[in-house]
Amino acid sequence: QKEVEQDPGPLSVPEGAIVSLNCTYSNSAFQYFMWYRQYSRKGPELLMYTYSSGNKEDGRFTAQVDKSSKYISLFIRDSQPSDSATYLCAMSARGNNRLAFGKGNQVVVIP
Amino acid sequence: EAQVTQNPRYLITVTGKKLTVTCSQNMNHEYMSWYRQDPGLGLRQIYYSMNVEVTDKGDVPEGYKVSRKEKRNFPLILESPSPNQTSLYFCASSPQPGLADSGQETQYFGPGTRLLVL
Repeated sequence: QKEVEQDPGPLSVPEGAIVSLNCTYSNSAFQYFMWYRQYSRKGPELLMYTYSSGNKEDGRFTAQVDKSSKYISLFIRDSQPSDSATYLCAMSARGNNRLAFGKGNQVVVIP
Repeated sequence: EAQVTQNPRYLITVTGKKLTVTCSQNMNHEYMSWYRQDPGLGLRQIYYSMNVEVTDKGDVPEGYKVSRKEKRNFPLILESPSPNQTSLYFCASSPQPGLADSGQETQYFGPGTRLLVL
C-alpha cells in the first residue's frame, strides 16, 4: 500500500461549482497535512496547512482532516477559472521535514 | 523577496555529460531538498539536507549527487546523465522542524528545472 493515495484523475467542473479533492494515507505518524497548488510550468505553492484532525477554512478553501479514517479533503467553493491547476496533498510526521506527496489532481474550471 | 531560485530553468543534454543544477534560497532555511516530478508518479524526493554538510538520500537517489557547503545553496549533480533522468526537478527549502505546531514542516519550492537527456 502506498503511503499516500490520491486518485490522479483529471477533474473538470463548471465555474461556480464546488470542487472536492481527497487523499488517503497509511502512516499513522502523520500529523501535518498540506495542500499544494501547482500551476502549469510552476513550482508547487502551499495552499492550506492543517495540524492533526479538524477543519480549516481560508476564503473559498476548506481543508478537512479525519485522522481516525486516515483521510483528508480539500473543498473549493465557488470555483473560478483561476483555480485551474494541479492540487497535491502532502503530509509529514512531527519533527520530520520529509513530505510524502500524493500524485496530484488536475482541476479544470470551465468558464 | 523570499524565494528559492534554480538554474537553469531548461536544459537539454546528452547521455554521459556531467551537469549541475543550482539551487539557492534567501530565507536562511536549514532544510533543503530536491524532488523530481514525473507524469503518473508525482513528486519523489531525491536527496535532502538538514543543514550544512549534512545530506541524506531520499526515495530515488540513484544517479544523483548533492553537496551542502553553504546554508543557502544546494546543487544537484548528475555525474553521468541517462535518458531515464529526463524529468522536471524542483528544489525546496524549509526551516528545521519546530518544537511547536507552527507549520515549519511546510516547504517552499523553486520554479523547477526541466531536463531532457538525449
